[in-house]
Amino acid sequence: DTAVSQTPKYLVTQMGNDKSIKCEQNLGHDTMYWYKQDSKKFLKIMFSYNNKELIINETVPNRFSPKSPDKAHLNLHINSLELGDSAVYFCASSQESHTGELFFGEGSRLTVL
Amino acid sequence: GENVEQHPSTLSVQEGDSAVIKCTYSDSASNYFPWYKQELGKRPQLIIDIRSNVGEKKDQRIAVTLNKTAKHFSLHITETQPEDSAVYFCAASRNTGRRALTFGSGTRLQVQP
Repeated sequence: DTAVSQTPKYLVTQMGNDKSIKCEQNLGHDTMYWYKQDSKKFLKIMFSYNNKELIINETVPNRFSPKSPDKAHLNLHINSLELGDSAVYFCASSQESHTGELFFGEGSRLTVL
Repeated sequence: GENVEQHPSTLSVQEGDSAVIKCTYSDSASNYFPWYKQELGKRPQLIIDIRSNVGEKKDQRIAVTLNKTAKHFSLHITETQPEDSAVYFCAASRNTGRRALTFGSGTRLQVQP
């Protein structure tokens, strides 16, 4: 069974469109995250949620809206996509909030044309 | 916030040699320092971590050292093998305040057979 799964794995879309990426974890963790990895491989935190509560929002444009319906799910919705949004988006979860091992999903590669 | 610097950005070694990757951090309150390995096209995975109450930790061919006074920590890989080729990320965080794991910029390690 996959511990952290995210869909879709690949997403190609036009500028201005709206898209969503879904994430689910079956590890029973309380904390979930979204990280963005750009073309230079830099991994940057976007959001973290602890038991459905937003903990961190790292100066991400408000076009990005995370939603956590329950502690096992953290989805990411992006409005009005821009070229600079092209990246790999990783969902992750951890048992300890921010000081424990991160379990990453496989990543969702978003390409905005 | 935390700032993590990582060097070198690329590292090429011969199979069997040792590899050392160094990181510095800025927040003296950081107390958790993991290292992640990301193979090409894959998700980052934890390989070793260290907490601020110890100065060194070893797991088979990999070891991490921490110097809290100087605010730097290092990853040491001995007897490198071609399958060690990957991008390695250091990171730092603390368990107080709302601070997510901050990653370094990554080191691309190439082990030449």
